[in-house]
Amino acid sequence: GAVVSQHPSRVICKSGTSVKIECRSLDFQATTMFWYRQFPKKSLMLMATSNEGSKATYEQGVEKDKFLINHASLTLSTLTVTSAHPEDSSFYICSAAGGARGPEGAGELFFGEGSRLTVL
Amino acid sequence: AQKVTQAQTEISVVEKEDVTLDCVYETRDTTYYLFWYKQPPSGELVFLIRRNSFDEQNEISGRYSWNFQKSTSSFNFTITASQVVDSAVYFCALSEGGYSTLTFGKGTMLLVSP
Repeated sequence: GAVVSQHPSRVICKSGTSVKIECRSLDFQATTMFWYRQFPKKSLMLMATSNEGSKATYEQGVEKDKFLINHASLTLSTLTVTSAHPEDSSFYICSAAGGARGPEGAGELFFGEGSRLTVL
Repeated sequence: AQKVTQAQTEISVVEKEDVTLDCVYETRDTTYYLFWYKQPPSGELVFLIRRNSFDEQNEISGRYSWNFQKSTSSFNFTITASQVVDSAVYFCALSEGGYSTLTFGKGTMLLVSP
């Protein structure tokens, strides 16, 4: 089946540095990908919708300049956490819609394995 | 606005017990999708089921079963004869219209002890 892959799965960085997380659709093209954030023992919150070839759409309260999203191709979206601080430590998960469409007209939604960011 | 409520924060059962995880949703749309995901300690989300709003048939898959009732806006998940490997956080999620963006419940942590 379709697979969405994230890299790196774990990253530890110093405060003030930038970290890039990649989300790839391995065997299908995804015009739209989604980035979620999950704090420890909390639910997943949608951060932004990444659209291939255009600007990402951010959810209310998410800083665009802090969380840079680039969707340069139909199989790759990247999330860059700029000038990371300890409060940015979290589990980031991407998802992508793709694959054959079912009778309802909806296709499949796949999630990456997640990337755990720890900012020291 | 759409909303998903999983009132049970944590459930502990002993192996072989049956357990039901509750999910109540709110939406103004007539077309929507409901999902259940399992998140083991490793963190990845494991897809369990997707159900559209026009299909109220209950579904059974092995030890898993789902009860969708539009009258009570609920989409409950039952694990029969639970096993230790079922220990995880389970999320119920809702998507209006299409299924692109999901609104997740807060999750229910299931602990199955031997």
